[in-house]
Amino acid sequence: NAGVTQTPKFQVLKTGQSMTLQCAQDMNHNSMYWYRQDPGMGLRLIYYSASEGTTDKGEVPNGYNVSRLNKREFSLRLESAAPSQTSVYFCASSEYGRGNQPQHFGDGTRLSIL
Amino acid sequence: KNEVEQSPQNLTAQEGEFITINCSYSVGISALHWLQQHPGGGIVSLFMLSSGKKKHGRLIATINIQEKHSSLHITASHPRDSAVYICAVRKPNNDMRFGAGTRLTVKP
Repeated sequence: NAGVTQTPKFQVLKTGQSMTLQCAQDMNHNSMYWYRQDPGMGLRLIYYSASEGTTDKGEVPNGYNVSRLNKREFSLRLESAAPSQTSVYFCASSEYGRGNQPQHFGDGTRLSIL
Repeated sequence: KNEVEQSPQNLTAQEGEFITINCSYSVGISALHWLQQHPGGGIVSLFMLSSGKKKHGRLIATINIQEKHSSLHITASHPRDSAVYICAVRKPNNDMRFGAGTRLTVKP
């Protein structure tokens, strides 16, 4: 049971480089999310996709773009990486984007921007 | 002020002790979630609550909507319970807000 798969697990970038974090889920979930987790702070929502074909900004969307490629895949792109984007990124999914739905998390991507 | 506050930030207990982690929130919610983050970083959903109390094994979660407060209890704690416990609330607009987490260490 793969659940939510994130790639890569680790990445080091130089300031100004671009990269895409990949996320795929095999649970036929409709809603998918991207979060970042920084020391001493709670997870913060970057973007979410309530259903295939829709995306919405979360709490901290600046500097990021997302693509809901299909029902399974939701990617997060950093167009011009900045040191402030050094963080651990988590992708999650839920059957629907309602309060009573559990979220299933990937294992995270640890990203360092030099 | 954060919309979700957890206490304590860090908690050390001896094996077998009863543990309580608290979560207070300041916004209207449609549901509250308790999550567990393992030392390796993986995050698992433990509970979702919109009212009352839920129990799963040695874990009990309660919520008081009027007081905007939830507690997570662990009975007969064990070293394998050592993890970061995260409280999160889903707002009516489906946005999620997370507490900073409580780091629990259970010593044998």
